[in-house]
Amino acid sequence: NAGVTQTPKFRVLKTGQSMTLLCAQDMNHEYMYWYRQDPGMGLRLIHYSVGEGTTAKGEVPDGYNVSRLKKQNFLLGLESAAPSQTSVYFCASSSRLGSSIFGTFGSGTRLTVV
Amino acid sequence: AQTVTQSQPEMSVQEAETVTLSCTYDTSESDYYLFWYKQPPSRQMILVIRQEAYKQQNATENRFSVNFQKAAKSFSLKISDSQLGDAAMYFCAYRSNFGNEKLTFGTGTRLTIIP
Repeated sequence: NAGVTQTPKFRVLKTGQSMTLLCAQDMNHEYMYWYRQDPGMGLRLIHYSVGEGTTAKGEVPDGYNVSRLKKQNFLLGLESAAPSQTSVYFCASSSRLGSSIFGTFGSGTRLTVV
Repeated sequence: AQTVTQSQPEMSVQEAETVTLSCTYDTSESDYYLFWYKQPPSRQMILVIRQEAYKQQNATENRFSVNFQKAAKSFSLKISDSQLGDAAMYFCAYRSNFGNEKLTFGTGTRLTIIP
């Protein structure tokens, strides 16, 4: 099925540990996004990419890094996890033009940092 | 920078009645898209309706319609004949069509349907 796949779906980390969240899309979308969702805060943009090999900072980029080496994949890294990074993370992709300009979302990753 | 504001953290409506969710946005651009997304308890983000800023006609999708007021930078969502399955978080979102491809969200409105 076409769509956006996030792995893993759940993860518990200890403070200071590192991890990478993987987002993969098979719709040939140019744009990809990483968001975090916290109660009362909506979805806040962490980083985004407008094409292979490009990345840009969103609203809350501190403590995160990203890479987009292949058009279909967008990786979100936490180098040294902190409890403040406990959140639900969503990846989304969209096309630049046409009927898919809205974001297609993955099912989310619930991350707990203890 | 573009901002999206949803001033109603929670709303409730009787089943079969009509409810309107508010959204305002701030931008200096003239060409952009606006969206409403639904997030049920399953956590999945689902597109409800979209509006292109250059179109004066308000978008409609079955029981869902918008009131797009470009000059006032307002984009409200009207749900008619509310159903129990409409209970969810609703997010308003903005995306520029030129030079800034960020998809920016409001903080959401939790809609409860009263049987």
